[in-house]
Amino acid sequence: AQSVTQPDIHITVSEGASLELRCNYSYGATPYLFWYVQSPGQGLQLLLKYFSGDTLVQGIKGFEAEFKRSQSSFNLRKPSVHWSDAAEYFCAVGLSPTSGTYKYIFGTGTRLKVLA
Amino acid sequence: DSGVTQTPKHLITATGQRVTLRCSPRSGDLSVYWYQQSLDQGLQFLIQYYNGEERAKGNILERFSAQQFPDLHSELNLSSLELGDSALYFCASSGTGRPNEKLFFGSGTQLSVL
Repeated sequence: AQSVTQPDIHITVSEGASLELRCNYSYGATPYLFWYVQSPGQGLQLLLKYFSGDTLVQGIKGFEAEFKRSQSSFNLRKPSVHWSDAAEYFCAVGLSPTSGTYKYIFGTGTRLKVLA
Repeated sequence: DSGVTQTPKHLITATGQRVTLRCSPRSGDLSVYWYQQSLDQGLQFLIQYYNGEERAKGNILERFSAQQFPDLHSELNLSSLELGDSALYFCASSGTGRPNEKLFFGSGTQLSVL
């Protein structure tokens, strides 16, 4: 079955430190890949997306993500974290239909805490 | 501001009751998604509509139903409410509902069942 796994439920980093959030998916082909961020009390906002081409994609707020087909991964990175990055981050995949139904599946999220 | 409007923002009700959550998609978007977010389940896909028709169904309980109206707004109806239905319910919209489109999320409706 198709699935998205974010193995880290909580991550704490110091301000200015680098960040990597992990995401793995299970699907027979390469899905459309997304990272969303949810700030407290808000809905989700798209950070970046990958469809094809260059496997390193740039997003908003200084985030980037790298697609690795061999590892079925799409990890999110930021070189230097700011206190305002504290939020919950969701990896998502969009799947083209094999049985006539599109799917858009989210991982369980990683909550990021930033220490001053 | 995503352009997706959800009302009400907060809803407190009792077990056994019925509530309706409303969503107005971003102008021009034809597809609406409903998600349930709880601490133990994460973000669960409930149902998707495209231009008034149901397109995909996820982990939606039989006590829950939804529809998308001709003006493209959508309503999620939750009935015979249980304590476990307490959650944050999100609506999202996209242009055509294809999996390569970004979703625009509303701010959610926080449902508390007492």
